[in-house]
Amino acid sequence: ELKVEQNPLFLSMQEGKNYTIYCNYSTTSDRLYWYRQDPGKSLESLFVLLSNGAVKQEGRLMASLDTKARLSTLHITAAVHDLSATYFCAVGPFYGGATNKLIFGTGTLLAVQP
Amino acid sequence: GAVVSQHPSWVICKSGTSVKIECRSLDFQATTMFWYRQFPKQSLMLMATSNEGSKATYEQGVEKDKFLINHASLTLSTLTVTSAHPEDSSFYICSASGPELNTDTQYFGPGTRLTVL
Repeated sequence: ELKVEQNPLFLSMQEGKNYTIYCNYSTTSDRLYWYRQDPGKSLESLFVLLSNGAVKQEGRLMASLDTKARLSTLHITAAVHDLSATYFCAVGPFYGGATNKLIFGTGTLLAVQP
Repeated sequence: GAVVSQHPSWVICKSGTSVKIECRSLDFQATTMFWYRQFPKQSLMLMATSNEGSKATYEQGVEKDKFLINHASLTLSTLTVTSAHPEDSSFYICSASGPELNTDTQYFGPGTRLTVL
């Protein structure tokens, strides 16, 4: 059974601090996505990581992918309150599976405190 | 570009009634649409994948007779929750992809909150 797990599930941190969210997945996949979700809202696409060693940065967020370890990280630098949200990773599509099917991770609720 | 809308954004209904949720791609042709369900403080769970003009493929554990999906055109898919019960209360999110876009990217709608009394 495919599993996509995130760690931690909840993170409270102070403004200005750094932290990393981890996303582990259990089967080979072409690509990995990171999304942000604000309360009561749908998903906002943050990053698409397409290959081993891929690194992408946008503002205070940086995502990387290690396909050999089946691990992606989302690093937060000098957090600000506006980054408070739930962050999901998603994996797909899968070889031999349905086209474009995504499996979502458990989510990480990030609360940035002043 | 690549905008997906959902209607309604929030619906409250009585137990035993049916509710239809629409998902539209506004500026592209969506050959594939996905329906997800999200319970409070949980992740998104894929319910079904629908390709235009064919029957939807349901995930294990999702009742196809309860969650009717129709994808009759390249811009519209509907999800009908039949004989809704309180346990069906959830946030339903659709996404879409199509050949005009990067086919491996899904564009998500704003979601529909369903409350069944």
